[in-house]
Amino acid sequence: DAGITQSPRHKVTETGTPVTLRCHQTENHRYMYWYRQDPGHGLRLIHYSYGVKDTDKGEVSDGYSVSRSKTEDFLLTLESATSSQTSVYFCAIRAGQGAGELFFGEGSRLTVL
Amino acid sequence: GENVEQHPSTLSVQEGDSAVIKCTYSDSASNYFPWYKQELGKRPQLIIDIRSNVGEKKDQRIAVTLNKTAKHFSLHITETQPEDSAVYFCAAKDWGNEKLTFGTGTRLTIIP
Repeated sequence: DAGITQSPRHKVTETGTPVTLRCHQTENHRYMYWYRQDPGHGLRLIHYSYGVKDTDKGEVSDGYSVSRSKTEDFLLTLESATSSQTSVYFCAIRAGQGAGELFFGEGSRLTVL
Repeated sequence: GENVEQHPSTLSVQEGDSAVIKCTYSDSASNYFPWYKQELGKRPQLIIDIRSNVGEKKDQRIAVTLNKTAKHFSLHITETQPEDSAVYFCAAKDWGNEKLTFGTGTRLTIIP
């Protein structure tokens, strides 16, 4: 599992509430990613990080923010959740400069009512 | 940005037959093409990848072919088995870019 854990694994919340998902890794990898998975859309990149305090936007970043204050943790925040953000969220890591493979966490299922 | 189209969205094959999934990409700068398999309720996992300096790569029953001119690449699974049933995703990116773009997935069902 490449030492990746996501929390919470399941969450139900109401529209307008803030939500933070956490991705924790134990192997000191530089590159971390947040994807969302929706039927008919595959996996879409939200944000990624290439080091502590270094982050950039993906293709569906609107409504999301991220933070990486230490190597092992990459946080995804929905400041004010909407029903369109109901999804399964996957964190992933990439092992290094010469590696292409993404290792995914187990996913976090978020339902926004 | 990159756009990856994947077909078919669902595919059913008899056990022992071959399965082919096709993807096209739009950005000629893309040079890395991985395939991920996702079993029901599980995380996606890499099964094979190819870089644009080769036209074909094989790993046991799985092979990927790439046509750079036409901007398409395909996954071939031979002698299919029940454990091949899953959703398969193709993806593409420029190796120097962190943004990996996925196709919409193919649900493969192997019929015993």
